[in-house]
This record gives sequence, C-alpha cells and structure tokens, in this order.
Amino acid sequence: SQQGEEDPQALSIQEGENATMNCSYKTSINNLQWYRQNSGRGLVHLILIRSNEREKHSGRLRVTLDTSKKSSSLLITASRAADTASYFCATGRRGNNRLAFGKGNQVVVIP
Amino acid sequence: EAGVTQFPSHSVIEKGQTVTLRCDPISGHDNLYWYRRVMGKEIKFLLHFVKESKQDESGMPNNRFLAERTGGTYSTLKVQPAELEDSGVYFCASSQDLGTGVRGYTFGSGTRLTVV
Repeated sequence: SQQGEEDPQALSIQEGENATMNCSYKTSINNLQWYRQNSGRGLVHLILIRSNEREKHSGRLRVTLDTSKKSSSLLITASRAADTASYFCATGRRGNNRLAFGKGNQVVVIP
Repeated sequence: EAGVTQFPSHSVIEKGQTVTLRCDPISGHDNLYWYRRVMGKEIKFLLHFVKESKQDESGMPNNRFLAERTGGTYSTLKVQPAELEDSGVYFCASSQDLGTGVRGYTFGSGTRLTVV
C-alpha cells in the first residue's frame, strides 16, 4: 500500500533559516498533501500538489514533487518560531479517498 | 465557518470499557473520515462516510470498532470493549469534495484515547 515517509524525522533550526523535509512513497499517486500539526491541535492542510505538477508555492512554502523518484520535499523559508510543529506528508490515490500518511517530521524553530 | 469539532478531547478508560467518540464535520460537508494515530506510528485511515453511507471501511481494525453517521451529520466511533492497543489519537476530517482540491481535508483536533 502507498505510504508517505518523511525524512528527517526531527529538525532543529534557528529562526530565519530554511527548513527542508523530504517524503517518499511507494505507489502511484494522484496527489500529495502536506499537513502541519501544532502541539495538541488538529492537522492543518498546508498545500496540495497533483501528480502532474512538479513544483508549487504558497507563501513561505515550496513543495516539489518528483514522481519518477516517488518523492516530495517541503521547504519552509525564513522560518519563524510559530513554524514549530510536526509536519506530515500524505498521498492520495486515484480511485479511493484515503490518505496515506507518513510518521511526521518534528520541526523546532529556535527564536 | 466553524471547523471540525471532536469530543471529548481526552478520554481515559479501563480495558474492557466502552468509549464513544464524536465528530461534528463542517456543515455541508458530505465526506467524513476517521483516522487514528497509535503512539509512534503513522496516521492510519479508518473509514470514510459519504453522507450517512459507509463508502470505505477497509481501515477499521476489527469488529470492536463501530462507526455511525445517522442523518449524514455528525458521526460517532464506538470502541467496545476497548483494549490497550486502542490507545492513540483519533482524528476526524471532512471535505466538501473528495479532499483533492486546494483545501484538502479539514481535520479536527482529535480525541486522545488512553486505555489503561
């Protein structure tokens, strides 16, 4: 079954630096989504990239998708303390509405 | 618009007891999903409702779990009897379309279930 797998799993950076997370998956997908979870809160949808797209931007977020390598990356530029959270990638597959999540990346931005 | 609401936010029960989790989706969202995250593992799909019908319940772990969505509004997830391995965070999500639009799915804050 498809599965998103983030790498690295924990990242600690200084405020203002960029944070990059990677995600790999195993099967063909229809789309890949990134979510953020702040401590004790729900998952917040950040960005969705479709299988026919290679790169997408949203504010300080930049997502890339390489379907030949079955991988995606999430870049957060000019990080802020408020970006401290867990980040999950999730893949969606054509024909069903399930999302397959990875284990998540814990990002800590030090002020 | 109000978000997806789940309650309780926390529940601690003894092994063998019954617990019912509730999810109120965003009004007008036909699609409702349950996911759970067991400690240290990835978030796993449980099931998907379209209105009051179960569209896909392939992720339900066993027959101790029963989900309902009477009237196509809120949904409940009952665990009976609860086992230790059921501990984790149970998330509910809803979407107006199939969650593949730019807004993706809207998730609730989750219910943290601890079985002791």
